[in-house]
Amino acid sequence: DSGVTQTPKHLITATGQRVTLRCSPRSGDLSVYWYQQSLDQGLQFLIQYYNGEERAKGNILERFSAQQFPDLHSELNLSSLELGDSALYFCASSPTGAGSTGELFFGEGSRLTVL
Amino acid sequence: AQSVAQPEDQVNVAEGNPLTVKCTYSVSGNPYLFWYVQYPNRGLQFLLKYITGDNLVKGSYGFEAEFNKSQTSFHLKKPSALVSDSALYFCAVREYSGAGSYQLTFGKGTKLSVIP
Repeated sequence: DSGVTQTPKHLITATGQRVTLRCSPRSGDLSVYWYQQSLDQGLQFLIQYYNGEERAKGNILERFSAQQFPDLHSELNLSSLELGDSALYFCASSPTGAGSTGELFFGEGSRLTVL
Repeated sequence: AQSVAQPEDQVNVAEGNPLTVKCTYSVSGNPYLFWYVQYPNRGLQFLLKYITGDNLVKGSYGFEAEFNKSQTSFHLKKPSALVSDSALYFCAVREYSGAGSYQLTFGKGTKLSVIP
């Protein structure tokens, strides 16, 4: 158990809909990362937050957005869903800051199926 | 940008034989390299990392990795494979995101199958 909690574990929805994925980082970790894993694209970095502020953006679509709340949990919002958005979405956390060597701790993922 | 490449989509090895999963890297400066494992329907689990020091790094579950600067490689190894080692293995490199933050860039992954 990594200590990172993601909900829901599975989600099935229709094209055009909007969903929200939730992540609670490990206790004490200030950084949250979102990754998308699909068969054709592999593991793609989407976005990173540190203590409530956006720090880095990767291959995140404009239809997707995220935020990190004062209690450090994070949400990834996916809107106007398309079939190609079906994937496993991972959240990861790390302590970051001075002394951190960069390893991330991953949750179990949220599997999104768009029909 | 930093990157890693895993040249093999799949590796098959017989139980009890040594295994190697390959990774090469392309970075500017000194690389921070990682190996993760993903079991079916699970998240990624950290196996080991190279930051500096000894070129042979030991990690979880009997795995080790050899850092080779001249060949820009960071291959994952285990002396004797177990059926339970069958999983998807990812090599990753740390990238600076700015403002003291980092993220990991992953390779495409290599599926390891250990045959009984």
